[in-house]
Amino acid sequence: EAQVTQNPRYLITVTGKKLTVTCSQNMNHEYMSWYRQDPGLGLRQIYYSMNVEATDKGDVPEGYKVSRKEKRNFPLILESPSPNQTSLYFCASSLWGGGQETQYFGPGTRLLVL
Amino acid sequence: AQTVTQSQPEMSVQEAETVTLSCTYDTSESNYYLFWYKQPPSRQMILVIRQEAYKQQNATENRFSVNFQKAAKSFSLKISDSQLGDTAMYFCALNFGNEKLTFGTGTRLTIIP
Repeated sequence: EAQVTQNPRYLITVTGKKLTVTCSQNMNHEYMSWYRQDPGLGLRQIYYSMNVEATDKGDVPEGYKVSRKEKRNFPLILESPSPNQTSLYFCASSLWGGGQETQYFGPGTRLLVL
Repeated sequence: AQTVTQSQPEMSVQEAETVTLSCTYDTSESNYYLFWYKQPPSRQMILVIRQEAYKQQNATENRFSVNFQKAAKSFSLKISDSQLGDTAMYFCALNFGNEKLTFGTGTRLTIIP
C-alpha cells in the first residue's frame, strides 16, 4: 500500500530535550516536506527536500533541522524543543512535477512540549 | 508572496443540502494549481479536488465541484447532497510550481443530521 508513515504519532516532551520525528514514504517520491498545523493558521511549511541531499527552508524553519540521506526518509529534528513548537506536524511527499502532482500526507504527529 | 484566504471559519448545513465553501487567493504567477483538502476528525489530510489554472473547465469529483474564477482569483468548493461523513475541516491550498503548498486557515464544516 502506497503511504507516508510518521513516528511517533503522539509525543510529550520537556523543553530542551532533543527529539526526532521520522517520516518515510514507499512511493519513490523525489519531493518531501514538513508542515506544522496550528489553530487559526492552517498548515505552514517548515522544510522541504527536492531529492537526496537537497533540502531548503520553508516559511517557519526556526528551531528545526532536517536531513535527506535516503530517498524514502525525511526526519524532522528538534534539537532544543520549546513550548511554542507544540503543534500537529505533517510530513508529505510527491513526485516532482512543477506543482501539479498530488501531495500525499502522513497521519500527523501531535507534539506537546512542556 | 502567495496568500490564500478562507473567510468562513465555520459553516453548518443540513444533511442532503448543498453547501459552498469560499476561497480567494493572491499570486502573481500565471500558471499554478489549486487544491481542496479535507481533514476529518482523524486529522488525516485527504485530497478532495484539484484545478489547473490554465484549464477553464471547472473540476468535478462526484459530489464535489469547484467554481474557479481566475480573474477574480476565487476558488470555491461546492458539496452537493451533503453527507454526515463530509463533516471535517476543509483547507484550500495553492501551488505555483515549486511543490510548496500554501494553505488557507480552513473552514470547519458540520453536517447536521
